[in-house]
Amino acid sequence: DGGITQSPKYLFRKEGQNVTLSCEQNLNHDAMYWYRQDPGQGLRLIYYSQIVNDFQKGDIAEGYSVSREKKESFPLTVTSAQKNPTAFYLCASRPVVGLNEKLLFGSGTQLSVL
Amino acid sequence: GENVEQHPSTLSVQEGDSAVIKCTYSDSASNYFPWYKQELGKGPQLIIDIRSNVGEKKDQRIAVTLNKTAKHFSLHITETQPEDSAVYFCAASPIQGAQKLVFGQGTRLTINP
Repeated sequence: DGGITQSPKYLFRKEGQNVTLSCEQNLNHDAMYWYRQDPGQGLRLIYYSQIVNDFQKGDIAEGYSVSREKKESFPLTVTSAQKNPTAFYLCASRPVVGLNEKLLFGSGTQLSVL
Repeated sequence: GENVEQHPSTLSVQEGDSAVIKCTYSDSASNYFPWYKQELGKGPQLIIDIRSNVGEKKDQRIAVTLNKTAKHFSLHITETQPEDSAVYFCAASPIQGAQKLVFGQGTRLTINP
């Protein structure tokens, strides 16, 4: 079955540590996205990529970094510069670059600070 | 930029009754409006979407209506069932271009048996 796989489901970060969240899709989608979700709030865009080896900042990119070396993979690194990293992180993808329809989400990663 | 407001933030209805969630948007360039359902600990699932060239779209017990003039759109769920309990998000964007989906704050819907 095609879909978006996020791992791990739960992740804990120590002070000063960088952590990487994995996102893989086998839908052959061109565009991939990372969102952050805080309790009782909507989804805020961190980074997005419309093509391999290219990505753009979203609304809350500070303290995060991404890479897009392969079409199917879009990992997100939460760096030590992100002072409030506890949140639910969602990866998403859509089939066609330039058409804002049918955004599909993975199952999410809950990141907590130890 | 686009701003999407969603109301109410929480909604409780009796099983079998109807539920309505409303959203307003600010950017007249927006012409694509999806709705997502998110169950606890899971990612949002697209349940229905509408383009601005239609005023209403139905899929079994769910429907979305759009008023372009007033810049608001609504999700209607009829004959509610316990499995409809979840958080629902609306969103808006232009169909084409670099603008990204802007989401509402979410509505926690509880269906009481």
